[in-house]
Amino acid sequence: EADIYQTPRYLVIGTGKKITLECSQTMGHDKMYWYQQDPGMELHLIHYSYGVNSTEKGDLSSESTVSRIRTEHFPLTLESARPSHTSQYLCAVGRRDGNSYEQYFGPGTRLTVT
Amino acid sequence: GENVEQHPSTLSVQEGDSAVIKCTYSDSASNYFPWYKQELGKRPQLIIDIRSNVGEKKDQRIAVTLNKTAKHFSLHITETQPEDSAVYFCAASMGSNYQLIWGAGTKLIIKP
Repeated sequence: EADIYQTPRYLVIGTGKKITLECSQTMGHDKMYWYQQDPGMELHLIHYSYGVNSTEKGDLSSESTVSRIRTEHFPLTLESARPSHTSQYLCAVGRRDGNSYEQYFGPGTRLTVT
Repeated sequence: GENVEQHPSTLSVQEGDSAVIKCTYSDSASNYFPWYKQELGKRPQLIIDIRSNVGEKKDQRIAVTLNKTAKHFSLHITETQPEDSAVYFCAASMGSNYQLIWGAGTKLIIKP
């Protein structure tokens, strides 16, 4: 069974700090995604990757970067945190199950920028 | 590009009644339409999906219908139960090599 891990689960940080949110998966899926979501609200795609050394920007990619050096890891970096970055960040992998193509989500990182 | 509109934003139904959530999409090339459920404080999870070569798909109390001509698809939940309370998201895609384009979500409230 594939699983996806995100660390930290909760983070409180001051304005202007650089932070990296970690996402890792254990089953070697090529496609990975980062979303920003306020609780119960829309999912906003930040970045995605279709494999090693492949990264693309989503609709909300400004002020953040990603890397995909290894299949297992897809870290998201905020160069300078702002209060507007306060939100939940969800990482997902794309996996096929028969005729279904599922985006399987991690547990999320809840970020608060003070 | 593709755009997905979802209605209503909030839906309140009596326990035991049916609930219907509707989505429309703009790109006729879209051929895959999943529905996700997100319970309070949890991650979104795929609950049902449909491909463009199928008009309807059922899984116990939930069903999805697709009208390709009108470019809309709907989620139907029958005999609603308290555990159906959640936010439901529809999405559209042109296939596994393409992103999912998400609807804005519907908060479903089941009244006891």
